[in-house]
Amino acid sequence: EPEVTQTPSHQVTQMGQEVILRCVPISNHLYFYWYRQILGQKVEFLVSFYNNEISEKSEIFDDQFSVERPDGSNFTLKIRSTKLEDSAMYFCASSDSAHYGYTFGSGTRLTVV
Amino acid sequence: GDSVTQMEGPVTLSEEAFLTINCTYTATGYPSLFWYVQYPGEGLQLLLKATKADDKGSNKGFEATYRKETTSFHLEKGSVQVSDSAVYFCARGSGYSTLTFGKGTMLLVSP
Repeated sequence: EPEVTQTPSHQVTQMGQEVILRCVPISNHLYFYWYRQILGQKVEFLVSFYNNEISEKSEIFDDQFSVERPDGSNFTLKIRSTKLEDSAMYFCASSDSAHYGYTFGSGTRLTVV
Repeated sequence: GDSVTQMEGPVTLSEEAFLTINCTYTATGYPSLFWYVQYPGEGLQLLLKATKADDKGSNKGFEATYRKETTSFHLEKGSVQVSDSAVYFCARGSGYSTLTFGKGTMLLVSP
């Protein structure tokens, strides 16, 4: 069964450093998403991406965040200057339509120290 | 704004017991409703969904009915197995294609 692949599975970074989380969506999917889950809290929407541009974003997704599809296979989330409160599990997802048929990856656990 | 409320976990059951995990949602619009499951070390997997009032979603013995009058989408299974141990997330559609999740409910099933 096709999978969404996320790397790394766990990343530790120092406060103030830039971090890039990587995702390989399913190859024929057109819609891409990032969600995050702070430990013990809800899974929260960050951003959706379609046709090489952001289609929706949440209040969490401020100027410190950016997304990119640098080639035909990868979808990345960059945090420019990490804060302690960015520590969370980050989930990538992709779908072939805009109507919630997501496939999620296993997540990247980001720890900011 | 949109929100989803789930019962607190963990829910601890013996094998073959009946499972209910409660979920309620805010009633803005006519959202699609979902249950996702996360097994240890894995991503979120869609378990079932319902797109309109009175629809029943079902998969792998799990069921949930979209109840508009009570704004609920409770997850049920008649006889749980040890392999059902996981975290279960209720979610509603929001905006164009985004999801609003509940906090998740951990289910632990013992033999």
